[in-house]
Amino acid sequence: GAVVSQHPSRVICKSGTSVKIECRSLDFQATTMFWYRQFPKQSLMLMATSNEGSKATYEQGVEKDKFLINHASLTLSTLTVASAHPEDSSFYICSAGYSAMNTEAFFGQGTRLTVV
Amino acid sequence: DQQVKQNSPSLSVQEGRISILNCDYTNSMFDYFLWYKKYPAEGPTFLISISSIKDKNEDGRFTVFLNKSAKHLSLHIVPSQPGDSAVYFCAASGRGAQKLVFGQGTRLTINP
Repeated sequence: GAVVSQHPSRVICKSGTSVKIECRSLDFQATTMFWYRQFPKQSLMLMATSNEGSKATYEQGVEKDKFLINHASLTLSTLTVASAHPEDSSFYICSAGYSAMNTEAFFGQGTRLTVV
Repeated sequence: DQQVKQNSPSLSVQEGRISILNCDYTNSMFDYFLWYKKYPAEGPTFLISISSIKDKNEDGRFTVFLNKSAKHLSLHIVPSQPGDSAVYFCAASGRGAQKLVFGQGTRLTINP
């Protein structure tokens, strides 16, 4: 299967700082990537759809000014948590697939964000 | 509104026996269903999928069954192995979309 790499795997930051998470498709080009968030003992929830060369599409209830998404190339999407607060502490995961018609999404390793 | 539901938060099965994980959905527009396995602090790993035009798909020890009229799918693992212990998520998507809606997950524990 395809490889999706996410970095960093774990980050601890102070409240009020911004954190950038990278998601890379290593052996294929992804015009679309997805960002999910998982709170403890809950399901993965889609936050936004990242489209190469255009603005991201955010799910209802997700603040686009807090969760900034940049998909500048076909192999890289970044999620920046702006002015992070403790309630933003969560597990963030990206996914990507070969093409828009392929529903087999491959996931990154995830990033555990802890805001203190 | 939980469109994909896994009503069993945990399941314990003896090694060598069959593990059956269940999933229900409410959105009749879902066209594709997937099962993922997840270890703590890692991203989900794809296991097996099924299109809505099929009712069964098999891959080695893993078989997924889809009952569209009941809006229900299940994952069968046989024989179960200790390495199968993980959290299993079912997910669904609309036609051609990679945007997935996940269930809450079921923690499977295989006992030796």
